[in-house]
Amino acid sequence: NAGVTQTPKFQVLKTGQSMTLQCAQDMNHEYMSWYRQDPGMGLRLIHYSVGAGITDQGEVPNGYNVSRSTTEDFPLRLLSAAPSQTSVYFCASRASAGQTFSYEQYFGPGTRLTVT
Amino acid sequence: DAKTTQPPSMDCAEGRAANLPCNHSTISGNEYVYWYRQIHSQGPQYIIHGLKNNETNEMASLIITEDRKSSTLILPHATLRDTAVYYCIVRVGRETSGSRLTFGEGTQLTVNP
Repeated sequence: NAGVTQTPKFQVLKTGQSMTLQCAQDMNHEYMSWYRQDPGMGLRLIHYSVGAGITDQGEVPNGYNVSRSTTEDFPLRLLSAAPSQTSVYFCASRASAGQTFSYEQYFGPGTRLTVT
Repeated sequence: DAKTTQPPSMDCAEGRAANLPCNHSTISGNEYVYWYRQIHSQGPQYIIHGLKNNETNEMASLIITEDRKSSTLILPHATLRDTAVYYCIVRVGRETSGSRLTFGEGTQLTVNP
């Protein structure tokens, strides 16, 4: 299993540009989520999905969109990049309560985004 | 979710056991204790979790006090690669909605040669 993969690893954007951060998992996990990590602020949840076709907002959703058309993929779209979105973005997945009684989350390697 | 308290930093000699404490005095009966770690510039990595009993896996051991108000993660033979930030998280085991883990500041463990 490749686990959770993210692309790109690094990205530099200009203010106002849009882009999509890719996330894929091959563990047939129902739950997938996006976090951002900023110095001194820990991990903050942006959006999450409990299954294909179902998404919901986390604690910092503004400026981001997500969709979940397949179990494997959960892309994160930045609509109009702002310097405040400079951060490290992590995608994570885990099995649902129906699949296994565990809260073990698997994280991807991260995408380091700089918005100038 | 119950709040956790961890020391901000700890040092350990290579080859020795690293004992990382966590206080969670407001833990509820249905909440599990989870440990994750984050090696610099990498995504967080699951280590172990437990409810009441002590747990052991290939990475670590988890000791939970009888009153469940505190726990200790033990890395039995720390190596330089164990240098990381270690997060203690208390969360209900079965999730009904959302997928959120609340990561606090954690403990920066530095393993010295």
